[in-house]
Amino acid sequence: AQSVSQHNHHVILSEAASLELGCNYSYGGTVNLFWYVQYPGQHLQLLLKYFSGDPLVKGIKGFEAEFIKSKFSFNLRKPSVQWSDTAEYFCAVIPYGNNRLAFGKGNQVVVIP
Amino acid sequence: EAGVAQSPRYKIIEKRQSVAFWCNPISGHATLYWYQQILGQGPKLLIQFQNNGVVDDSQLPKDRFSAERLKGVDSTLKIQPAKLEDSAVYLCASSYRDVNTEAFFGQGTRLTVV
Repeated sequence: AQSVSQHNHHVILSEAASLELGCNYSYGGTVNLFWYVQYPGQHLQLLLKYFSGDPLVKGIKGFEAEFIKSKFSFNLRKPSVQWSDTAEYFCAVIPYGNNRLAFGKGNQVVVIP
Repeated sequence: EAGVAQSPRYKIIEKRQSVAFWCNPISGHATLYWYQQILGQGPKLLIQFQNNGVVDDSQLPKDRFSAERLKGVDSTLKIQPAKLEDSAVYLCASSYRDVNTEAFFGQGTRLTVV
């Protein structure tokens, strides 16, 4: 079945460490890609998105993601995390012409001060 | 800008009872979504409305779930009768045009079926 895969569901790291969260999808053809974040007690909100153009996308709060078409991947990165980055991060994909936003299972990230 | 409003925030019911959730999207947003998020999983689309018409309800368990969006604004999602496996957070989201424009999510309703 077509899907969105996120590995390492729980990630614990110290402040100032670098963060990389993997996202792979199994849809062929053109896709639109998203990362959503859910901070504790808050609603899901958009972190960044990729539709076309430069495959390196910059989002809010110092996050960036790189689309690698050949690897069907859209990994999220942040060079130096802060305690306030503690949250759950979801990768989401829209296959072109489908209009259904499909989410991965999420990564629970805990940043220790 | 006001966000997506959902109520109630929490609901506990016994199995076989019925329950309804309400969603008020952001003003002017044509598209409204209901998602089910089971603990440890990502949100799963249940139904998508464009104005007051259904665009996608292929993953809605129609034998027990129903949803409507009257006048293309507010929406209600109903479960009747509820099963234990329906315990989840039910998220409502809206977007200006379609899902390729940013989807804004509400806080969700946490349903526990006992």
